[in-house]
Amino acid sequence: AQTVTQSQPEMSVQEAETVTLSCTYDTSESDYYLFWYKQPPSRQMILVIRQEAYKQQNATENRFSVNFQKAAKSFSLKISDSQLGDAAMYFCAYRRRYGGSQGNLIFGKGTKLSVKP
Amino acid sequence: GAVVSQHPSRVICKSGTSVKIECRSLDFQATTMFWYRQFPKQSLMLMATSNEGSKATYEQGVEKDKFLINHASLTLSTLTVTSAHPEDSSFYICSAGTGGGQPQHFGDGTRLSIL
Repeated sequence: AQTVTQSQPEMSVQEAETVTLSCTYDTSESDYYLFWYKQPPSRQMILVIRQEAYKQQNATENRFSVNFQKAAKSFSLKISDSQLGDAAMYFCAYRRRYGGSQGNLIFGKGTKLSVKP
Repeated sequence: GAVVSQHPSRVICKSGTSVKIECRSLDFQATTMFWYRQFPKQSLMLMATSNEGSKATYEQGVEKDKFLINHASLTLSTLTVTSAHPEDSSFYICSAGTGGGQPQHFGDGTRLSIL
């Protein structure tokens, strides 16, 4: 079974600074998807960034980028120029590419990010 | 972009009541819908996966008779919490997908409080 581990329950960053959130996962599959979701106090789940395992290039979305290390099964999220609106719970998630489980997401326990003005 | 509507957003009701939560994909056909449960300060836990026109697949430990899921069309799935009790109080959130590599789209969730 696949597992996702986020070892940082809480993180804090100064506004305009950069922060990196860690995520590791365990799988025996070679092809899959990885995601970072943001959940603000409103509890909406907002997709931040997506990575396809077969792509070596790290995904980027404006101020958000990932460091995808497939061999190490690591998928960290870097937030540059942090803004107050970035404060939220961040969840790392894994999804199979093929086969059963109909593509459900497996989530880590989350990292609560605080942004200090 | 793709939108998933979840209704109601908040429910407060007495113990023993059955509660129905709807999840609709507004501008796309969702071949698969997922139902998650989230306890305070915890992660999302998959409850069940539903495919249009077939029975839902429940995760281990989730009571099928307690949490009835119906996926009658490609745009609507419902979760009914039958004879709800205080321990069923939680945040329930659905997501819808079209398969392949496309990301799932989440509803805004339903906060269920059973008195």
